[in-house]
Amino acid sequence: DADVTQTPRNRITKTGKRIMLECSQTKGHDRMYWYRQDPGLGLRLIYYSFDVKDINKGEISDGYSVSRQAQAKFSLSLESAIPNQTALYFCATSDTYGTGLDEQFFGPGTRLTVL
Amino acid sequence: AQKVTQAQTEISVVEKEDVTLDCVYETRDTTYYLFWYKQPPSGELVFLIRRNSFDEQNEISGRYSWNFQKSTSSFNFTITASQVVDSAVYFCALSEVYTGNQFYFGTGTSLTVIP
Repeated sequence: DADVTQTPRNRITKTGKRIMLECSQTKGHDRMYWYRQDPGLGLRLIYYSFDVKDINKGEISDGYSVSRQAQAKFSLSLESAIPNQTALYFCATSDTYGTGLDEQFFGPGTRLTVL
Repeated sequence: AQKVTQAQTEISVVEKEDVTLDCVYETRDTTYYLFWYKQPPSGELVFLIRRNSFDEQNEISGRYSWNFQKSTSSFNFTITASQVVDSAVYFCALSEVYTGNQFYFGTGTSLTVIP
């Protein structure tokens, strides 16, 4: 089974709808991240969480909110979706900083289309 | 300002040719980490390598090699004897300790290996 899972994998929705993307991980990592990927722009950080009580805004947090329900779960919400939020969304996890920084492990991505 | 610059948007090579993907980064931190990820057409993100700022030793892994030069703030990736399976988008990323180990990704280089 995959270590980082995302649901749904694909979603088409309409402008103004509320959407929730979910991420679960079995790696036991404290740190979780949400990114969006747009053609030509690479991955941009939306929100990140270093533990259940620590949530931080990333580069492009406007229009998004997150919830860290447990160490293993990190959800991303679009309260009122708009077409320019059409993108590929990735969840990622990493281990806590100790003797070094581990790489981030990515989920398979959620392709969201807002009509 | 872009912290990670991948100036090559798209590269095409003929199979068996060598190809180098450039990555230039910008940071004020003395402790930082550099990464390369591969995104094949299937969309997942695959970790390739991690390098910390104190380790300038170049690394070779099979047909892959990485050249880290702090003097020019570059972390270039070379594929030797390219194969069709190397066709993917490759991302370089930077993580800085003073910004809480956020990841900053470049915009990616799309590599096409022509048979």
